[in-house]
Amino acid sequence: GEDVEQSLFLSVREGDSSVINCTYTDSSSTYLYWYKQEPGAGLQLLTYIFSNMDMKQDQRLTVLLNKKDKHLSLRIADTQTGDSAIYFCAERGIGANNLFFGTGTRLTVIP
Amino acid sequence: NAGVTQTPKFRVLKTGQSMTLLCAQDMNHEYMYWYRQDPGMGLRLIHYSVGEGTTAKGEVPDGYNVSRLKKQNFLLGLESAAPSQTSVYFCASSARGGRDTQYFGPGTRLTVL
Repeated sequence: GEDVEQSLFLSVREGDSSVINCTYTDSSSTYLYWYKQEPGAGLQLLTYIFSNMDMKQDQRLTVLLNKKDKHLSLRIADTQTGDSAIYFCAERGIGANNLFFGTGTRLTVIP
Repeated sequence: NAGVTQTPKFRVLKTGQSMTLLCAQDMNHEYMYWYRQDPGMGLRLIHYSVGEGTTAKGEVPDGYNVSRLKKQNFLLGLESAAPSQTSVYFCASSARGGRDTQYFGPGTRLTVL
């Protein structure tokens, strides 16, 4: 299957920006997603980007896509303690019914 | 709207026992999915369904069976549980495939001793 990789941990101070990175291997990826998982809960879709876009902004969230390097990032501005969670990158290939997920990055926000 | 619900939330089995995990959605979604989540790994697709009465294999289907007798329910069965099936199981649903958002349930934590 496709490989989607993320670093496992990230710590930031409250009020700083967080940048969570993801790399993927499938050059046919059509949609790339960011999901958030809070403790004991299911995954919640945060945002997604179509592969012909470079950037998408949604309030405090900015997604950057470098299709040449197959690199996706999620920037959270003014990070709050409520942003502490695991963030998953996922990609869907052309015609695929399922998503391929990264390992997840555990974001810890230090007050 | 409850969204996607899963029962049970927790379960402990002995090796060789069987059980069924139930997923229900009230959004009239066509597609439903079962994933497992293991430490240090992303979610991996076990089986999925593109409509009532249909099922298909995902990445890691061995040791599991599924059924979609009703559109709103997707059942995941373990006929003879093994310790390697200790995991957190997530169900998801989407209106269609493609770019449609997948909505996830809260998960079932299964331990096989």
